[in-house]
Amino acid sequence: DADVTQTPRNRITKTGKRIMLECSQTKGHDRMYWYRQDPGLGLQLIYYSFDVKDINKGEISDGYSVSRQAQAKFSLSLESAIPNQTALYFCATSARGPSYGYTFGSGTRLTVV
Amino acid sequence: AQSVTQPDIHITVSEGASLELRCNYSYGATPYLFWYVQSPGQGLQLLLKYFSGDTLVQGIKGFEAEFKRSQSSFNLRKPSVHWSDAAEYFCAVAPSGANNLFFGTGTRLTVIP
Repeated sequence: DADVTQTPRNRITKTGKRIMLECSQTKGHDRMYWYRQDPGLGLQLIYYSFDVKDINKGEISDGYSVSRQAQAKFSLSLESAIPNQTALYFCATSARGPSYGYTFGSGTRLTVV
Repeated sequence: AQSVTQPDIHITVSEGASLELRCNYSYGATPYLFWYVQSPGQGLQLLLKYFSGDTLVQGIKGFEAEFKRSQSSFNLRKPSVHWSDAAEYFCAVAPSGANNLFFGTGTRLTVIP
């Protein structure tokens, strides 16, 4: 099994729908992150969490929310999806901070029509 | 403004040729520096990282990178490219005291026979 698992791998949804992307990890890492990848823009940070009670906004949090259900689970929600949220979404974990590097999931490709 | 710049959007090299991918950063103090690779349909995998010390660092898959403080650069190199190296490559930095990584926009590598 992968260290960081994202579900679903692909999703097509309609404008205005609520959708949740899930991430689970077996690394035992405290820190978890959600990034969005758009062609030509690299990865942009949406939210990050240092533990279950510590949630922080990233560069582009508007339109998104997160839930850290347990140390191993970190979900990203789009309350009312819009077409410009069509992107590739990555979950990542790290042991104690970015200087230790990240472990990435395989990504969720989301299309909002 | 603080940034990570990868000036080459797309590079094409012949199999067996040498490769250099450029990365420049603009942060006050020397940050932690990373190179990640993303194969099609996959998450990002850490190739190598620089914290301090020897400015030439070795990574996985035969890659190396050289940190040059005077140029604020951290270029990735490989002496002989293999077809399996075709992927997208991301430079990332963790500024001193930062809680997350900042990524460049990526360089897509195509390898021709």
